[in-house]
Amino acid sequence: GQQLNQSPQSMFIQEGEDVSMNCTSSSIFNTWLWYKQDPGEGPVLLIALYKAGELTSNGRLTAQFGITRKDSFLNISASIPSDVGIYFCAGQGGSNYKLTFGKGTLLTVNP
Amino acid sequence: DTGVSQDPRHKITKRGQNVTFRCDPISEHNRLYWYRQTLGQGPEFLTYFQNEAQLEKSRLLSDRFSAERPKGSFSTLEIQRTEQGDSAMYLCASSLEGVEAFFGQGTRLTVV
Repeated sequence: GQQLNQSPQSMFIQEGEDVSMNCTSSSIFNTWLWYKQDPGEGPVLLIALYKAGELTSNGRLTAQFGITRKDSFLNISASIPSDVGIYFCAGQGGSNYKLTFGKGTLLTVNP
Repeated sequence: DTGVSQDPRHKITKRGQNVTFRCDPISEHNRLYWYRQTLGQGPEFLTYFQNEAQLEKSRLLSDRFSAERPKGSFSTLEIQRTEQGDSAMYLCASSLEGVEAFFGQGTRLTVV
């Protein structure tokens, strides 16, 4: 089945620093999504990517859909304390609508 | 609040008991999904509905699990004869036309 490798597993950064995380897949995806999850809550959709090579921004967040369709990255610029949480990549492939998730990147921001 | 709503937020049950969770999707979203998330992992797909039709089920969904969406609106997920391995966060999500799924806050199940 499809598997997503998300890295790094965790990051500890200072407020104001930029952050980058990525996902790679063993299979081609049609859509990449990035979510953020706070403890005890459901994931919140941050960015959706639909085309290979697509670069999309949402405020301080920028994500790209890799040209091979097997990878995606998420950048967060000028991090702030409320960026703390777990970031998940998710991919959709084939003709169904289910999402395959990575294991997440735990981000800690030191004020 | 017009987001995905799940009830209850927390459930503690004894092993062997049956439990049922409810999900109310975003109004007019025709697709509804159930995922399960264990500690340190990303959500894993269980099943999804398009309107009232259940279109796909994961192998994770054993015969003790059943999901329904009788009128194409809310959905229920029932687990019969719960086991300790069923302890997890059960997440519901909905989407309109594409794959952008919006999640509820989840139901945390603890089987003791």
